[in-house]
Order: sequence, then structure tokens, then C-alpha cells
Amino acid sequence: EPEVTQTPSHQVTQMGQEVILRCVPISNHLYFYWYRQILGQKVEFLVSFYNNEISEKSEIFDDQFSVERPDGSNFTLKIRSTKLEDSAMYFCASSGGGGETQYFGPGTRLLVL
Amino acid sequence: QKEVEQDPGPLSVPEGAIVSLNCTYSNSAFQYFMWYRQYSRKGPELLMYTYSSGNKEDGRFTAQVDKSSKYISLFIRDSQPSDSATYLCAMSKDSSYKLIFGSGTRLLVRP
Repeated sequence: EPEVTQTPSHQVTQMGQEVILRCVPISNHLYFYWYRQILGQKVEFLVSFYNNEISEKSEIFDDQFSVERPDGSNFTLKIRSTKLEDSAMYFCASSGGGGETQYFGPGTRLLVL
Repeated sequence: QKEVEQDPGPLSVPEGAIVSLNCTYSNSAFQYFMWYRQYSRKGPELLMYTYSSGNKEDGRFTAQVDKSSKYISLFIRDSQPSDSATYLCAMSKDSSYKLIFGSGTRLLVRP
């Protein structure tokens, strides 16, 4: 069964450093998303991406964040200068023709020290 | 008022019990309703998807949406210890693919 994969599973970084989180969405999917979940809190939407551009973003997704689909298979989230409050689980998701059935990856646990 | 509300639990039931999980929401623009299961420190796993009002059944799981009451439910029949997880409701509007999640209900099925 096809699935969304994410690397790395864990990342520890120093405050102010740049991190890139990587995702391989399900191969025939067209819509891609990033969500995050701070420990003990709700899953929160960050951004959606379709046809090589951002289609929607939340207020959390400020200038420190960017997304890219560098090739036909990968989808990345970059945090330019990490803050302590960026520590969270980051989930990538993808969906096919309609955005409502979104399939999530296992997540990357980011810890900013 | 929160956009999506969900009782955090924990909900503890004996094996074989029928489980009822619920969410309420405030925004009548929501049209798509999902239930996800999340095991500890794992990604949400899509269980059920429903568009607008009505019922949907898949094996031991039944999802119900009552848009007039802004209330959605997930029923699990013949619950198993492997069903022990956090159950998240999520919903979105016609004009957006952004999922709005509830806070999750932790379920424990005792053998």
C-alpha cells in the first residue's frame, strides 16, 4: 500500500539554525501539505501546495518558513532560523484529486535547543 | 467558541464494547468530515471520510454527521485492545483543503 514517507524521523538543532524536513508524498497525488503538532496540542495546518505553488497558508507560516518541490518526488519544508517554539512534530500529507482525503506521513520530531 | 471541540477523555472501555466518539463544531461552512486514528508519536491514519450529512460504515466503524446540530460521531463496534489510540476528528470547507482538527480523544480498550 502506498504511503507518505518523511525524513529524518528526529532532528535536534540549535536555535537560529536552518532545518529542512523532507517528505515523499504518495506518487500519483497532486496536493501536498505540512501540519505540525506541538506536544499535547492539536494538529495545526501550516501550508498547502498544488501545481508548484502555495495554495493556502496559515498565520503560523511566516517568512521563516518555505516549501519546495525540488523534483518529481520530494516535498520539503524549510525553517530558516529556528526558534524554541518551533519544537514540534511536523507531518507531511498528500491527497489525490480532492484535498479532503489527506494521507499523513509518520512525522519528523524537531527539537530546537 | 472553539471551531472544533472534542472531549479529550481518556475513555476506558472493556474489550467488545461499543465506543462512541464525538465532535462538535461551530462553523456551518464545514462540508468534509474525517476521523483519524493516531497512535502515540505516530502520524494520523485516515479511518473514515464523509461528505456533508449522513452515515458511512466501514467494517466495525460507522461515521455519522448531523449538520443541523453541528455534531459528528464515530462508533466502533466490538472494540479491540488494538483500537487503543487517540482519535482525531477533522473537517474542512468547500473552499479550502485546510483540515481543522479536534484535540483528540484518547481511547483505552481493556482486555
